[in-house]
Amino acid sequence: SQQGEEDPQALSIQEGENATMNCSYKTSINNLQWYRQNSGRGLVHLILIRSNEREKHSGRLRVTLDTSKKSSSLLITASRAADTASYFCATEPYNTNAGKSTFGDGTTLTVKP
Amino acid sequence: DGGITQSPKYLFRKEGQNVTLSCEQNLNHDAMYWYRQDPGQGLRLIYYSQIVNDFQKGDIAEGYSVSREKKESFPLTVTSAQKNPTAFYLCASSPGTRSGNTIFFGEGSWLNVV
Repeated sequence: SQQGEEDPQALSIQEGENATMNCSYKTSINNLQWYRQNSGRGLVHLILIRSNEREKHSGRLRVTLDTSKKSSSLLITASRAADTASYFCATEPYNTNAGKSTFGDGTTLTVKP
Repeated sequence: DGGITQSPKYLFRKEGQNVTLSCEQNLNHDAMYWYRQDPGQGLRLIYYSQIVNDFQKGDIAEGYSVSREKKESFPLTVTSAQKNPTAFYLCASSPGTRSGNTIFFGEGSWLNVV
């Protein structure tokens, strides 16, 4: 059963601009993780945010979590052509474990040089 | 290099044939997973294993089988009972299934039924 839904499905921006993508989910969670996937490759973990956290940073990435709205956002600042990829959120339902994490359908980001 | 190795990268299969996808990890992780990804979509869990000789069905286990005889290995068999097997298959592992564990992925295997 799929819980997280990313929005928008596709995003195209110019190099240097910021990219924001969102993830909404339906039930309470332990944590939410963002992953990146280059075309035809495996997923790579970017960042984890726990349900008691509101914001986390990692390099050019900023993730926010609003548990009251059941939503998260991933902001990539000063984007580069190399950021072109699909980005997925994975939600771990409350009172379960990592084995129960579910992935959304992803946002495909294209950064034009 | 530590990581997860999937093979083959590309596989063609005739309808009615079973095929086995290999997944090996040298990360010393207890948990391993198989996901299916269809074009433009997210990942759906087929099976996962928390420990050797134990595994649980995920959301779309029908038509698939797995084994976990060794900690490092978690092969997936796509059987002829799987009606629409053409997809991208991703193997993954995590230190365990404790809450918050990061899932590490292999590079995937493309299966095309011809």
